[in-house]
Amino acid sequence: QVQLQESGPGLVKPSQTLSLTCTVSGGSISSGDYYWSWIRQSPEKGLEWIGYIYYSGATYYNPSLKTRLSLSVDTSKNQYSLKLNSVTAADTAVYYCARGADQPFDRWGQGTLVTVSS
Amino acid sequence: IQLTQSPSFLSASVGDRVTITCRASQAISTYLAWYQQKPGKAPNLLIYAASTLESGVPSRFSGSGFGTEFTLTISSLQPEDFATYYCQQLNSFPRTFGQGTKLEIK
Repeated sequence: QVQLQESGPGLVKPSQTLSLTCTVSGGSISSGDYYWSWIRQSPEKGLEWIGYIYYSGATYYNPSLKTRLSLSVDTSKNQYSLKLNSVTAADTAVYYCARGADQPFDRWGQGTLVTVSS
Repeated sequence: IQLTQSPSFLSASVGDRVTITCRASQAISTYLAWYQQKPGKAPNLLIYAASTLESGVPSRFSGSGFGTEFTLTISSLQPEDFATYYCQQLNSFPRTFGQGTKLEIK
């Protein structure tokens, strides 16, 4: 059973960079069977898909975040990561990693709350 | 693609049949999924391709629709079904979700 787990700081200062990592267990990112996504949820915006990365490093970013976003993958660790720079209070949300993008999101991490505040 | 769910809030009783609607701003064939989310938990996939039940999901859940209008039906509400439901389109990028329908106990 594939499991995903987010990790990273829960508090980020405005204008700094939000960094999160998703560790995948029970399955290999390198299998190439899935895309791997980040999704966030806030009361203001609801569920917002951030982007995906493939094991090869191919990415697609939500245009609303594209200028501030970078996704990367480390197949040796079976992890993928998110970096969002120049954050503001509007980036405060629960961040989820999830399996899918070209397919439905059928596996999710438990989510991690990231607060942007000084 | 914008997805609009109705209603946003729904009050019902155990045993009731309920229907939630999701309307897309443009035609998406059957590229639609439904999720259930309980407080403090990640969304859970219920239905994909508009009407295909995810493995392990009870048969009281069903989905239908094509193009721009879709429905999620729960045939007989159980206590564990009180949650928030979201639709999501897989027709084009960026992927988008509906705003959610909160199903509450009457």
